[in-house]
Amino acid sequence: NAGVTQTPKFQVLKTGQSMTLQCAQDMNHNSMYWYRQDPGMGLRLIYYSASEGTTDKGEVPNGYNVSRLNKREFSLRLESAAPSQTSVYFCASNPGTAREQYFGPGTRLTVT
Amino acid sequence: AQSVTQPDIHITVSEGASLELRCNYSYGATPYLFWYVQSPGQGLQLLLKYFSGDTLVQGIKGFEAEFKRSQSSFNLRKPSVHWSDAAEYFCAVGAPGSARQLTFGSGTQLTVLP
Repeated sequence: NAGVTQTPKFQVLKTGQSMTLQCAQDMNHNSMYWYRQDPGMGLRLIYYSASEGTTDKGEVPNGYNVSRLNKREFSLRLESAAPSQTSVYFCASNPGTAREQYFGPGTRLTVT
Repeated sequence: AQSVTQPDIHITVSEGASLELRCNYSYGATPYLFWYVQSPGQGLQLLLKYFSGDTLVQGIKGFEAEFKRSQSSFNLRKPSVHWSDAAEYFCAVGAPGSARQLTFGSGTQLTVLP
């Protein structure tokens, strides 16, 4: 039982490049989330998926897109990376309504 | 909308001393409350949670937190800190019945002196 897994762990992009961050959970959870973590700002929600087939914007969605591929997988795409998107990205999941979330190990992304 | 304030950006304590990390929230009713810990380079690990009932909740690693409705607070405590407790601690609030999200505080960095 791996919990929440994320790939890659580290990534360096040049401005304008695109990439997809992958997230998968094996806990049969309904809801999945993408956060970004920046120093002094805690975690801010980018997008979430309350259930398979649905996605909604969070606090900071601009510059990102998401896909809930199936119940297990929730990917985050940066179409044209910008230096302001340099951050640590966390995926999380939970069984349903506002219960505790379980976090992946994070992806450290640098955009130069 | 809910919000969370962690007034202390950085706290330093000596090993063996007691610890209290402060958390204040804003929410119209009784929220769900959480404390998470993040070690360097790691993801967030749940320490404890409050949904309802007994206002003093016990968590992992010897931590406890007390929900005080009158003060809109959910402070984290530990009677004797160990060097391995050095990490960043996040308080979070969730709205019961909502799948939207948790709202996190900005975190408190804990340094433990030998």
